[in-house]
Amino acid sequence: DVVMTQSPLSLPVTLGQPASISCRSSQSLVYSDGNTYLNWFQQRPGQSPRRLIYKVSNRDSGVPDRFSGSGSGTDFTLKISRVEAEDVGVYYCMQGTHWPSWTFGQGTKVEIK
Amino acid sequence: EVQLVQSGAEVKKPGESLKISCKGSGYSFTSYWIGWVRQMPGKGLEWMGIIYPGDSDTRYSPSFQGQVTISADKSISTAYLQWSSLKASDTAMYYCARHPSMVGGEADYWGQGTLVTVSS
Repeated sequence: DVVMTQSPLSLPVTLGQPASISCRSSQSLVYSDGNTYLNWFQQRPGQSPRRLIYKVSNRDSGVPDRFSGSGSGTDFTLKISRVEAEDVGVYYCMQGTHWPSWTFGQGTKVEIK
Repeated sequence: EVQLVQSGAEVKKPGESLKISCKGSGYSFTSYWIGWVRQMPGKGLEWMGIIYPGDSDTRYSPSFQGQVTISADKSISTAYLQWSSLKASDTAMYYCARHPSMVGGEADYWGQGTLVTVSS
């Protein structure tokens, strides 16, 4: 299986300050069609996961533009430009390139200092 | 509006069987894949498998192959996850999610989750 490693696992942030989460894969996530299938999901406390970003940097409809994704190959980053209270939760990266098992990172817990 | 509505919480004993459901609405149910994800208490997300309701093509993560069965009834726009003999270690929240394609893992809509508790 492709291993997805996130860091940090815990991220205390001051309101209004930026936050950054790293995600590294054990193999390149470039698929045979040329796309890189790296997704980011947010899971707020007590809620279902919600997709924020797909194909590395494509933001979903309704996702605030303070969220951005970047990276290539095996190294990826989710950035929040200015953290708001509603951003508290756990963030997961997930690779959708390597079959038969898509894999998630361990999750990064974002909390307010 | 796209919605995935899952069946309610279950409390079962070890060795019992169980089938939970995920009903899609607001889109063409037979044109998208439905995947299942496990979240054990206090833990992260694990992808279990996926089904295409249009033709019931089903794929499993190796970790879950043989442990669960995924199925779908397109006539009622519902996907299922079932166990023939539950174990205490199956205690978890289970989510279904819609996938536009079998490639990419791009789960764009999620159900509210079904909590399964297995205890003697």
